[in-house]
Amino acid sequence: DTGVSQDPRHKITKRGQNVTFRCDPISEHNRLYWYRQTLGQGPEFLTYFQNEAQLEKSRLLSDRFSAERPKGSFSTLEIQRTEQGDSAMYLCASSLRGPYEQYFGPGTRLTVT
Amino acid sequence: SQKIEQNSEALNIQEGKTATLTCNYTNYSPAYLQWYRQDPGRGPVFLLLIRENEKEKRKERLKVTFDTTLKQSLFHITASQPADSATYLCASDSGTYKYIFGTGTRLKVLA
Repeated sequence: DTGVSQDPRHKITKRGQNVTFRCDPISEHNRLYWYRQTLGQGPEFLTYFQNEAQLEKSRLLSDRFSAERPKGSFSTLEIQRTEQGDSAMYLCASSLRGPYEQYFGPGTRLTVT
Repeated sequence: SQKIEQNSEALNIQEGKTATLTCNYTNYSPAYLQWYRQDPGRGPVFLLLIRENEKEKRKERLKVTFDTTLKQSLFHITASQPADSATYLCASDSGTYKYIFGTGTRLKVLA
């Protein structure tokens, strides 16, 4: 399967713990996006990378959220000191040229207890 | 702030009929609009893109229109089938790198 992959698919954590999610985009795609989606809502944009450069991160929800794409390939999204309000589906997408056709991964469902 | 709005109420239609979903945008003028399909528990899947200078675009049973005067895009599925049941999302960028999605409209096609 050469699509976008995300790991883990599900994560249950206790409030206050740190979590890290990984996204592997389609190999030739240089653009990578992170979104958060809660029930009944559309995806909410968090951040965007072009190669290894993080060109937009103003929508990261707080300073507890950070993302990296160290070599312009896979990316990680970290949430520190998780809160119950962080419970959501975290989606990663990649594209080749511009945002015109984004390919989404299956998402990581986070539950904070 | 820029916003994309979709009817959050579910749309139920009979198999074989045409489903029409609406996407309205406010406080900006997108250069294009996209439509995605999302099934429960899965990531969205790209369907169609229409640019502001295109009135209509088609792909198989799908048709999208873009009316810059009404600030609206319509998404049509003709000869709908139960397999078309899903949530359909409208999206675009805000003119920068920030990408905006609507809340989506859930479509249910009844056999």
